[in-house]
Amino acid sequence: GQQVMQIPQYQHVQEGEDFTTYCNSSTTLSNIQWYKQRPGGHPVFLIQLVKSGEVKKQKRLTFQFGEAKKNSSLHITATQTTDVGTYFCAGTMHQTGANNLFFGTGTRLTVIP
Amino acid sequence: NAGVMQNPRHLVRRRGQEARLRCSPMKGHSHVYWYRQLPEEGLKFMVYLQKENIIDESGMPKERFSAEFPKEGPSILRIQQVVRGDSAAYFCASSPRQNNEQFFGPGTRLTVL
Repeated sequence: GQQVMQIPQYQHVQEGEDFTTYCNSSTTLSNIQWYKQRPGGHPVFLIQLVKSGEVKKQKRLTFQFGEAKKNSSLHITATQTTDVGTYFCAGTMHQTGANNLFFGTGTRLTVIP
Repeated sequence: NAGVMQNPRHLVRRRGQEARLRCSPMKGHSHVYWYRQLPEEGLKFMVYLQKENIIDESGMPKERFSAEFPKEGPSILRIQQVVRGDSAAYFCASSPRQNNEQFFGPGTRLTVL
């Protein structure tokens, strides 16, 4: 079945270090979205990428969508303690054409002050 | 503009009882999604509804689970004869149209004793 995997599952960084999480799909995606979930909270939408090879930036966050539309990455430059949380990618499978979002397994980020 | 509302926030049920989870989407949003999240795991899609219609219920267990989104009132996720394995956080999300960012509610944390 369709799967969206993320690596790493956990990441501990010192404040100020960079962080990257990678998202890989077993099938081609129509689009990819990224969400952040703080501990005990709910997912909050960060961004959506639609085009092959697309790169978008939000302050210290850089999002990429692979050329084949099967992978994506989120890079955070100079992490801060406010970046703590679990980052999920979520994709809509191209083959289904539906608005059924498949969430990745998530990367839990811990930032050590 | 109020966000997505879910109630109750916490629900405790004994095995065999029924659980009713409510979700009021954001104003102007006619698309509602339900997800289940187990501790330390990602979100699993359950069902996608548009006013009075179930669009995609491929993630919903065939037995004991049902969902509705009536013309008036909130969307309801109903779990009959709950079992311990149903204990999880259930999140509702809404969007104004297909393939759009989803706005999540705070979730209902269901505990089955």
